[in-house]
Amino acid sequence: GAVVSQHPSWVICKSGTSVKIECRSLDFQATTMFWYRQFPKQSLMLMATSNEGSKATYEQGVEKDKFLINHASLTLSTLTVTSAHPEDSSFYICSARLIRTGAQETQYFGPGTRLLVL
Amino acid sequence: AQTVTQSQPEMSVQEAETVTLSCTYDTSESDYYLFWYKQPPSRQMILVIRQEAYKQQNATENRFSVNFQKAAKSFSLKISDSQLGDAAMYFCAERGSNYKLTFGKGTLLTVNP
Repeated sequence: GAVVSQHPSWVICKSGTSVKIECRSLDFQATTMFWYRQFPKQSLMLMATSNEGSKATYEQGVEKDKFLINHASLTLSTLTVTSAHPEDSSFYICSARLIRTGAQETQYFGPGTRLLVL
Repeated sequence: AQTVTQSQPEMSVQEAETVTLSCTYDTSESDYYLFWYKQPPSRQMILVIRQEAYKQQNATENRFSVNFQKAAKSFSLKISDSQLGDAAMYFCAERGSNYKLTFGKGTLLTVNP
């Protein structure tokens, strides 16, 4: 159990276009999902917290108009990179928060999406 | 603000031996959780072990165990009987009351046959 999927696994796009990345919790409901960005050989940096039914909250320095997040259901959050530029090329990872019996809470991660903007 | 520090960028271990990865953290919260995640070359983040700060007993998961020293804000990971499949980047993370994870910079573990 506790599987999180991401689609697509990798995408190449032209500069100026928009790209949508989906994050799904396959066997559990997640009221909260997170979006991270990871550059090569670096750690994960939290971009935003996605809350089902409400607006996402963004970390300092993350442009909300560039990285649009929608959490339309308890199993799906989407990240849209608008007007992508080469500097947006990165590895994007989502996670979903699972709360088990006894209030034990853990984040499970998707496999990531590699974005290359030409 | 929370900070997590992993002072070992790289570590290596012989197959079947034991290795310990270090992690220190700083938080102002009294209720928090600590995690070790593994990221193999596939880049899939895999939860290795978790520790609730209010628990004094160190968490264990098969060959993986932690040494949680709350006063020293230290949270090291011990891998016993290392296997080739343990080779990966290991990230220490802290989760506070806002449910956000703060990650360390990671330790790249190499397992030598």
